[in-house]
Amino acid sequence: AQSVTQPDIHITVSEGASLELRCNYSYGATPYLFWYVQSPGQGLQLLLKYFSGDTLVQGIKGFEAEFKRSQSSFNLRKPSVHWSDAAEYFCAVVPYSGGGADGLTFGKGTHLIIQP
Amino acid sequence: DVKVTQSSRYLVKRTGEKVFLECVQDMDHENMFWYRQDPGLGLRLIYFSYDVKMKEKGDIPEGYSVSREKKERFSLILESASTNQTSMYLCASSWVSRGTDTQYFGPGTRLTVL
Repeated sequence: AQSVTQPDIHITVSEGASLELRCNYSYGATPYLFWYVQSPGQGLQLLLKYFSGDTLVQGIKGFEAEFKRSQSSFNLRKPSVHWSDAAEYFCAVVPYSGGGADGLTFGKGTHLIIQP
Repeated sequence: DVKVTQSSRYLVKRTGEKVFLECVQDMDHENMFWYRQDPGLGLRLIYFSYDVKMKEKGDIPEGYSVSREKKERFSLILESASTNQTSMYLCASSWVSRGTDTQYFGPGTRLTVL
């Protein structure tokens, strides 16, 4: 079964500083990879996703992520964070099963705190 | 814009009660999902459905059942609520099969079982 690890439960970053959130997955083949964000009291919003092709993926709100097969990683980055980026971030995977729907397997989340 | 709505934002029930959580999507999506979210555990898949009257168990189906009588509506049922089912419940939907498409999430229902 696939699994997702987000090693950092909490991360504190100063406003304007760069950000990297880590995500490692465990799966026999290349999974489909997602990053979602959950702002306080809100549902989840998709930031970006990777299926194939260019390993550097651009998303919304200035986020990007890089797929590294050799490291089984899909880390999320942003060059300069804003106070509004404070939220919970989830990495998720879904295996290609060849047919039928599949639910997402989520990491446990990283809580991002922005310092003024 | 895709809209996924859930019938209640907050719900308080007593142990042993039968609980219905409703989810409606307005984009004619094939797939619908129910997750629960708990602090430190992330989101875990309870059940999903890829068509009307079709359902598949997710990772933690015990104590839950689902119903999909119409394409746009997916209900999660707690037959006899227990305190360990106190959680945030999130519904999601997506277009096509194979699970590769974006899942769109509702705002969640925070259920407290006393």
